[in-house]
Amino acid sequence: AQSVTQLGSHVSVSEGALVLLRCNYSSSVPPYLFWYVQYPNQGLQLLLKYTTGATLVKGINGFEAEFKKSETSFHLTKPSAHMSDAAEYFCAVSASNSGNTPLVFGKGTRLSVIA
Amino acid sequence: DTGVSQDPRHKITKRGQNVTFRCDPISEHNRLYWYRQTLGQGPEFLTYFQNEAQLEKSRLLSDRFSAERPKGSFSTLEIQRTEQGDSAMYLCASSFTRDRRNEQFFGPGTRLTVL
Repeated sequence: AQSVTQLGSHVSVSEGALVLLRCNYSSSVPPYLFWYVQYPNQGLQLLLKYTTGATLVKGINGFEAEFKKSETSFHLTKPSAHMSDAAEYFCAVSASNSGNTPLVFGKGTRLSVIA
Repeated sequence: DTGVSQDPRHKITKRGQNVTFRCDPISEHNRLYWYRQTLGQGPEFLTYFQNEAQLEKSRLLSDRFSAERPKGSFSTLEIQRTEQGDSAMYLCASSFTRDRRNEQFFGPGTRLTVL
């Protein structure tokens, strides 16, 4: 069965500092991995995804993530935090090797950005 | 894309009442998913459809919950005899299996409060 662990329920960074949100996964099939962002009282917006191929994936708003099979990790990074990045971030793994099957989400990490 | 829409956005009901939510997926998306998100948690899968066929139901989906997608377009999620534990955000997502995007697009959610 698939599972996701997000280390740190709350991360606080200064504006302009590096953002690092951690995600480790467990999957019985080659994983499809996703990062979503959620602003208050809104749905989820896809930041980036890993399916196959290049292990470093770039997404929207300057975010990127690296798939490391040996570490079963898919950490999200951004070189310089902006106030608008403050939100809840969710890592997810697909139930099969497709993005068109149910997703298993982590519990989320709330990112605060301090001016 | 006009996006996934959900109605209503908010619903307050008394314990024991029945409620129904509607989801309109992105046009031509053949898969539709329902997730539930409680406070401080990541979304949890409830059920999903391909066209009008319900492919899978989570064990989270008790007998009081029923979902349908009668014509393969919009979907409804009904909760009978609501309980306070049903209070949550109900998220709908859709995807298209015939492209290579492997992405689920989420709606804004319906927030249910059971008093």
